[in-house]
Amino acid sequence: DTGVSQDPRHKITKRGQNVTFRCDPISEHNRLYWYRQTLGQGPEFLTYFQNEAQLEKSRLLSDRFSAERPKGSFSTLEIQRTEQGDSAMYLCASSAFAGGNTIYFGEGSWLTVV
Amino acid sequence: EDQVTQSPEALRLQEGESSSLNCSYTVSGLRGLFWYRQDPGKGPEFLFTLYSAGEEKEKERLKATLTKKESFLHITAPKPEDSATYLCAVTNFGNEKLTFGTGTRLTIIP
Repeated sequence: DTGVSQDPRHKITKRGQNVTFRCDPISEHNRLYWYRQTLGQGPEFLTYFQNEAQLEKSRLLSDRFSAERPKGSFSTLEIQRTEQGDSAMYLCASSAFAGGNTIYFGEGSWLTVV
Repeated sequence: EDQVTQSPEALRLQEGESSSLNCSYTVSGLRGLFWYRQDPGKGPEFLFTLYSAGEEKEKERLKATLTKKESFLHITAPKPEDSATYLCAVTNFGNEKLTFGTGTRLTIIP
């Protein structure tokens, strides 16, 4: 069990560019989550997958954001036409079962939009 | 909508000085209350899950308790390595998301 893995850990991009983050969950965890965290705040929920199905999306997830989880394994989060307000840490998490079961987080991917 | 409020925002303690962190919550049907530790620049690290009022869990110098309205994270005889931000979060029976508070930034002074 190597934990939740995220790549890249840091990304600096120019405003208007597209960026993609990858997440590899803990093996055999069928639930995968994306959160966003800015300085001084707690993580905010973005979206959630059960296997390959995207079952829940926050209204924070604008049309410029898209997440996929092909084959129910790794997941990608793409941000199109980045804006300075997108600068944040993007956290991926996974869990084995529903609801109250433990959700484990990765180390996060830092995005800076300049 | 679920709400989580943590206090204090920041806490400085001398090494060995015990204290408690508070997490007040409003949730439509609590499924679980979670405590995480977060070091600067890193993702949250799981500490505890509590499911029902009266439940308590311990790990080393930390003890988490739960009532119907709030949770406490008690830290006994803390050490400098306990310095971190401690996050509280809840889930309800209607969805799968964690709703987090803004955290308590704990600093233990040697």
